[in-house]
Amino acid sequence: AQKITQTQPGMFVQEKEAVTLDCTYDTSDPSYGLFWYKQPSSGEMIFLIYQGSYDQQNATEGRYSLNFQKARKSANLVISASQLGDSAMYFCAMSDFNAGNNRKLIWGLGTSLAVNP
Amino acid sequence: DTEVTQTPKHLVMGMTNKKSLKCEQHMGHRAMYWYKQKAKKPPELMFVYSYEKLSINESVPSRFSPECPNSSLLNLHLHALQPEDSALYLCASSQDPSGSGSYEQYFGPGTRLTVT
Repeated sequence: AQKITQTQPGMFVQEKEAVTLDCTYDTSDPSYGLFWYKQPSSGEMIFLIYQGSYDQQNATEGRYSLNFQKARKSANLVISASQLGDSAMYFCAMSDFNAGNNRKLIWGLGTSLAVNP
Repeated sequence: DTEVTQTPKHLVMGMTNKKSLKCEQHMGHRAMYWYKQKAKKPPELMFVYSYEKLSINESVPSRFSPECPNSSLLNLHLHALQPEDSALYLCASSQDPSGSGSYEQYFGPGTRLTVT
C-alpha cells in the first residue's frame, strides 16, 4: 500500500536561513507524482511544488526546491532564505498515475514549521 | 488565475438544519473535490467529480450530499449533521487525470463548519 511519512512533527528555523522538511514515500508503482502543500493557520491549502517519478531533474519553484532521491524514496522540501510568512503546516502527498487511483492523494501527517525573527 | 472560491467562510448549524457549502473555479478544471479536515490532521477525501459526474465517494455518510451543477460549481448539501462533523471543509479542483497522469490540486480557503 502507498504511504507517505513525515518524521518531523515540528521544526524551527531562523529567518533568512534554509530549512529542509523530510518526506519519504512507499509505493510499488513505477509512475507517481509527489506534491508539497503549505497550510497557514488561515486554513487554505497552497500548492507549492510537484515532482514526477520520471522527471530527471529536481523540481524548483522560486525559493522552494524538491530534493528527489528516487532510490531512497525520499522527496524532501528545501525552503531557502526562510521568511516569517513561511510559518505554516507543510504536507507531503503522493498520487500514482494509474487511472482510477490518480485522483486520490495520499497525505503525510505534516510538519509544522515556525520561522523565528 | 489559480483561484478556487468557497462560501461561506464560517458556518454554525444545528443538528436539524439543512445548509449548503458552495465552491467555484474558473480555471477550466474538469475534476473537483471535497475534503474534510480536522485540526492538525491531513485532509480526508470525501468526493471527486470528473466531468460533472461523481467518480469517487469515499463511503461518506448520506447526510453529506454532493452536487456538481456545471463544470465550474460544486456544492455540498448538509442535513442532520452530528457534532463530530465539525471540521474545515475544503474544495479543490484540478485538470482531470482521466487516463494516466497526475495533476496538482488547487484548493479554496475552506469553510469552517461547527455543528451544535
